[in-house]
Amino acid sequence: DSGVTQTPKHLITATGQRVTLRCSPRSGDLSVYWYQQSLDQGLQFLIQYYNGEERAKGNILERFSAQQFPDLHSELNLSSLELGDSALYFCASSVGTTRNTEAFFGQGTRLTVV
Amino acid sequence: GNSVTQMEGPVTLSEEAFLTINCTYTATGYPSLFWYVQYPGEGLQLLLKATKADDKGSNKGFEATYRKETTSFHLEKGSVQVSDSAVYFCAHGSSNTGKLIFGQGTTLQVKP
Repeated sequence: DSGVTQTPKHLITATGQRVTLRCSPRSGDLSVYWYQQSLDQGLQFLIQYYNGEERAKGNILERFSAQQFPDLHSELNLSSLELGDSALYFCASSVGTTRNTEAFFGQGTRLTVV
Repeated sequence: GNSVTQMEGPVTLSEEAFLTINCTYTATGYPSLFWYVQYPGEGLQLLLKATKADDKGSNKGFEATYRKETTSFHLEKGSVQVSDSAVYFCAHGSSNTGKLIFGQGTTLQVKP
């Protein structure tokens, strides 16, 4: 158990809909990362928050947004969903933000858009 | 730009065989290098890491050496077990954010 909790584990929704994925980081970790794992794109970094503020942005679509709350949990919002958004979405957390930082991953949320 | 390239999978081996999974990277500066493992139905777990040139990371019988001259970080294990069947990801961290750039992943299947 990594200590990172993601909910829900599975989500099935229709095209055009909006969903929210939730992540609770390990106790004491200030940094939260979101990654998308798909068959064609592999594991892609989406966005990072550190202590409530956006720290880095990757290949995140404009239809997607995220935030980190004062209790440090984070939510990833996906809107106007398309079939191609079907993927496994991972949250990770870490104490630091250096290049040496070890990230701890949750078990992921599998999103299926039908 | 920054990237990581791993050997294509899947890799199928018999138990006790020698494993090598190749990984090369491109990065600015001096990245740290990681191997993560993903067992079926689970999230990624850190397997080992190396933070500077010539460092060797090791864990659970797996090893990888940070080779700056060849920009490589190949994963090796002398004798694989069925329980090593998983997807292995090479990654580097080269920014001041902690974000990781991953390779495509290599699926390893070990048969008894």
